[in-house]
Amino acid sequence: NAGVMQNPRHLVRRRGQEARLRCSPMKGHSHVYWYRQLPEEGLKFMVYLQKENIIDESGMPKERFSAEFPKEGPSILRIQQVVRGDSAAYFCASSPRRANYGYTFGSGTRLTVV
Amino acid sequence: GESVGLHLPTLSVQEGDNSIINCAYSNSASDYFIWYKQESGKGPQFIIDIRSNMDKRQGQRVTVLLNKTVKHLSLQIAATQPGDSAVYFCAETWTNEKLTFGTGTRLTIIP
Repeated sequence: NAGVMQNPRHLVRRRGQEARLRCSPMKGHSHVYWYRQLPEEGLKFMVYLQKENIIDESGMPKERFSAEFPKEGPSILRIQQVVRGDSAAYFCASSPRRANYGYTFGSGTRLTVV
Repeated sequence: GESVGLHLPTLSVQEGDNSIINCAYSNSASDYFIWYKQESGKGPQFIIDIRSNMDKRQGQRVTVLLNKTVKHLSLQIAATQPGDSAVYFCAETWTNEKLTFGTGTRLTIIP
């Protein structure tokens, strides 16, 4: 069981470029959650997806950010036209059912915008 | 609004002693709580959870206490070891779908 896999581990983008962060959930998990963490802060919820559906995107900025979890393949968090304030660690978690049945987090993608 | 907060941002404990990390939450509707450990450069790691119909739960060297009357959660770590040094987060959920995390407490074990 490989756990939740995120890639890349580190991503550097220039202002205005696009960032694509990938998350492969644990085997058998169909629920995926994305969180953002700024240095020395807690994790902030961004979006919750099930296969092919966005269930809750209340934590996602309205512009430039999007997420998907296709029927086949990993979940993708996409940030268009990145700005320095997007620099953070982005964590993905998966669960077999709804949140109170346990989360497993990946190791995160550290995005740096220069 | 709803929030989860911690009383102490840092905590230093002598190796072998017990440590207690506290957490306050404001949403009385929260029904599930989790403690996570996060080491530098890694993702949060599940430690222990508790549901709102319980007031205490024990794991290996860890105990979580829930006091719903004062909306307080604590994590007790017994006989601390150097490997316990990390940032500890409490998290709550009331929607069954997303967790709200506290700010975190940095625990340092002194050899």
